[in-house]
Amino acid sequence: GAVVSQHPSWVICKSGTSVKIECRSLDFQATTMFWYRQFPKQSLMLMATSNEGSKATYEQGVEKDKFLINHASLTLSTLTVTSAHPEDSSFYICSARSGLAGGPATYNEQFFGPGTRLTVL
Amino acid sequence: AQSVTQPDIHITVSEGASLELRCNYSYGATPYLFWYVQSPGQGLQLLLKYFSGDTLVQGIKGFEAEFKRSQSSFNLRKPSVHWSDAAEYFCAVSPMWGNTPLVFGKGTRLSVIA
Repeated sequence: GAVVSQHPSWVICKSGTSVKIECRSLDFQATTMFWYRQFPKQSLMLMATSNEGSKATYEQGVEKDKFLINHASLTLSTLTVTSAHPEDSSFYICSARSGLAGGPATYNEQFFGPGTRLTVL
Repeated sequence: AQSVTQPDIHITVSEGASLELRCNYSYGATPYLFWYVQSPGQGLQLLLKYFSGDTLVQGIKGFEAEFKRSQSSFNLRKPSVHWSDAAEYFCAVSPMWGNTPLVFGKGTRLSVIA
């Protein structure tokens, strides 16, 4: 099946540093990847939609200069949290959408990574 | 715009009892429907999905869900709950085509007591 990995699975950093999170589709090409943020005991909040080779589309209220998203290839998207602060501590989850090659039944299905726990001290 | 409502924030059931988690959606056409489960500190695991065809969908771990167009519902059921089923459950909807992301409900937390 379609597998999405995230690295690292957890990270602790000091306030003011930047952290990069990688999202990879391991066995399929993902033209679109999504980045979500999840606070404790809450649902997933969409941060941005990332299309390969173009700029990410950010949801309202998400600072694009703080959360840099790069989707340089069909299997890799990265989220960089710049100048992280304690309020950025959260669980970040990516998902990847399979391409047309998957057939109509799976064309629009999203496959989720295992998430990255970010703690900013 | 699409929306998903999970009316129950928290449900507690006894081990061995049956379970039904409710999900209602709002969408102009027939969407793709999903149920995910999330254990604490973990990512999302797909339980089942509905694209078309038989409205009763079987999933993993003994779960099933029934799509009812007339009620705009996609309720998740399990005949006998196990303690390991305690987790957060999310219903999600997506259009059949296009590049829009999944829309999630707020989730239902399931607790299982002995």
